[in-house]
Amino acid sequence: EDQVTQSPEALRLQEGESSSLNCSYTVSGLRGLFWYRQDPGKGPEFLFTLYSAGEEKEKERLKATLTKKESFLHITAPKPEDSATYLCAVQASVGYIPTFGRGTSLIVHP
Amino acid sequence: SQTIHQWPATLVQPVGSPLSLECTVEGTSNPNLYWYRQAAGRGLQLLFYSVGIGQISSEVPQNLSASRPQDRQFILSSKKLLLSDSGFYLCAGEQGNGNTIYFGEGSWLTVV
Repeated sequence: EDQVTQSPEALRLQEGESSSLNCSYTVSGLRGLFWYRQDPGKGPEFLFTLYSAGEEKEKERLKATLTKKESFLHITAPKPEDSATYLCAVQASVGYIPTFGRGTSLIVHP
Repeated sequence: SQTIHQWPATLVQPVGSPLSLECTVEGTSNPNLYWYRQAAGRGLQLLFYSVGIGQISSEVPQNLSASRPQDRQFILSSKKLLLSDSGFYLCAGEQGNGNTIYFGEGSWLTVV
């Protein structure tokens, strides 16, 4: 059974204080790993897809990396508008139903 | 990219009343479609998924049902709502397998 564990559950940062969110996964062959941002009361917004170990993708202050067992979402010099819940999901190479983690709630204080 | 439309955005329904949440997809054909429920502080619970018209798979036995009458239309229904059906419902779509999954804006359901 595919599993995704995100840590920490909650993270409070000061504006400008860089940090990383972790997504550990077990899957029988990885087809893709997805990162989403979700604002309160809204649907998840797609950020990145990573397909193979060593791959990295960046968007503004966010950078996602992937190894064979985990993915990190690095947030550099965060701003209050980066406050949101960040979700990670994996899709196995067999089948197609994605497995989601419970998310990390990020609050960035000004 | 795909755009997922969901409606209504919010609704308050009495216990025992019926439910119909609708989801339509733009920008792709023959997508895989999903209905999720998200409880406060918890992850996404997969309710139903569909790989084509009339093809519905259920992940969790419950008071809800789903239908896919057209390629890009996915409907979540209930004949009689329970208090426990309250929550945030999300429709998602994916073009083929292994492609990006996009979400709608969600529907807040409160059963009173």
